[in-house]
Amino acid sequence: QQQVKQSPQSLIVQKGGISIINCAYENTAFDYFPWYQQFPGKGPALLIAIRPDVSEKKEGRFTISFNKSAKQFSLHIMDSQPGDSATYFCAASPTEGAQKLVFGQGTRLTINP
Amino acid sequence: DTGVSQDPRHKITKRGQNVTFRCDPISEHNRLYWYRQTLGQGPEFLTYFQNEAQLEKSRLLSDRFSAERPKGSFSTLEIQRTEQGDSAMYLCASSSPDRVRSFFGQGTRLTVV
Repeated sequence: QQQVKQSPQSLIVQKGGISIINCAYENTAFDYFPWYQQFPGKGPALLIAIRPDVSEKKEGRFTISFNKSAKQFSLHIMDSQPGDSATYFCAASPTEGAQKLVFGQGTRLTINP
Repeated sequence: DTGVSQDPRHKITKRGQNVTFRCDPISEHNRLYWYRQTLGQGPEFLTYFQNEAQLEKSRLLSDRFSAERPKGSFSTLEIQRTEQGDSAMYLCASSSPDRVRSFFGQGTRLTVV
C-alpha cells in the first residue's frame, strides 16, 4: 500500500532555476511532513519539515508548500545549484505513537551547470 | 561527531550466513528505528524501540530478522540465514519524542552473494 506518492521520479534543472518536487498522501493521521536529501552511499539527511497548521515554511533556498485539503505538499528549491544534485524523499508520519516515517519513492534531481 | 553511527558501513556475505549490524543513536534520543532501503526506493520501516522496549515490528521483518536494544542505548539487527533478497541498505534513525525529527545514520550496505 503506497501511502505517499512522489513525483517526478527524476528532474533536470538548469543552475539558478527552481526545482519543484511534489508529494501526495492518503492517511489523514499524518501530521508531520519532512523532506530528506540523500547523496549516493549516504544516509538521508533531514532538510526541512512542516506541520499542517501552516501552509508554507521557508528555510534559506528551500520552501515547503502544504495543501491540507488536497493532501499534497511540495518542495521548492530556489536558485538551484550543482551541489543540490541528489535524491530527495518526502515522508510523512503521525506525531502520536511510534512516529514512524512513510517515505515517497524519491526524486533524483540533477542540476546542470 | 554526535550523530547516529552505524557499523559496519559495508558487509558482503554468502547466502545462508548470519550477519549482525550495530547502531549507536544520538545519546539523548530514547527512540530508535530501523529502516531498509533497496536501490531506487525510499526507506521502509522495519522496527522501533522506545528505550529498551521493541514496540512495533513491520510485517517486512520476517522471523529471520531480530533486533535488540539491551540497555536502551545501542541496537543490533541480526539477519539469520541470509538470502539474496536481503541485499539492501539498512538504516538506523533516532529521535526524541518531543522533537519528532528523525536523524539517520550512514547506513550499512549489505550484499548477499
